[in-house]
Amino acid sequence: EAQVTQNPRYLITVTGKKLTVTCSQNMNHEYMSWYRQDPGLGLRQIYYSMNVEVTDKGDVPEGYKVSRKEKRNFPLILESPSPNQTSLYFCASSFQGRNIQYFGAGTRLSVL
Amino acid sequence: GENVGLHLPTLSVQEGDNSIINCAYSNSASDYFIWYKQESGKGPQFIIDIRSNMDKRQGQRVTVLLNKTVKHLSLQIAATQPGDSAVYFCAGIGGYQKVTFGIGTKLQVIP
Repeated sequence: EAQVTQNPRYLITVTGKKLTVTCSQNMNHEYMSWYRQDPGLGLRQIYYSMNVEVTDKGDVPEGYKVSRKEKRNFPLILESPSPNQTSLYFCASSFQGRNIQYFGAGTRLSVL
Repeated sequence: GENVGLHLPTLSVQEGDNSIINCAYSNSASDYFIWYKQESGKGPQFIIDIRSNMDKRQGQRVTVLLNKTVKHLSLQIAATQPGDSAVYFCAGIGGYQKVTFGIGTKLQVIP
């Protein structure tokens, strides 16, 4: 089954404790992206990747890091999480950025 | 479910009626548009897309209209069903593969 898998689905952590949210897709997509979704603000892009070893900042990259060492994986790293990073996060992939994106089920992060 | 529906414009329709959800975009460089549906607790799912060289595109029970003059998109859902209850949002894609999402509209179907 074609899918984008995020883990974990729910995470509660404390300020400053490094965390990683994993994202994996099995569709051989070149393009992958991370978004955060906050009430009233919609989906905002954090980082995206056009292909392996190619990453770029989106609209809200501060406080986040990503890597793309393999085509299928695109982890999101929060080196020192802060409460304003409490949000719902989505990973998405597509054949190219100008195509339909397939989204994961989301990761609900709470930073205390 | 997730609280993504808070603070969103809400459209309530009677089951069986048609729904029209609107989206305005500001980026003139956007030349490809997608409508997504997001059910509670799930990620967004593709519904229908349209390129800027088209005014209208129809799918199964859904139609998207594009008015480039006023930078406006609409999604029409025919014979709305309870399963259509969700948040709907449009996405515009322009140069450099930049994707911009609208904040969404919550559709509530009244049985």
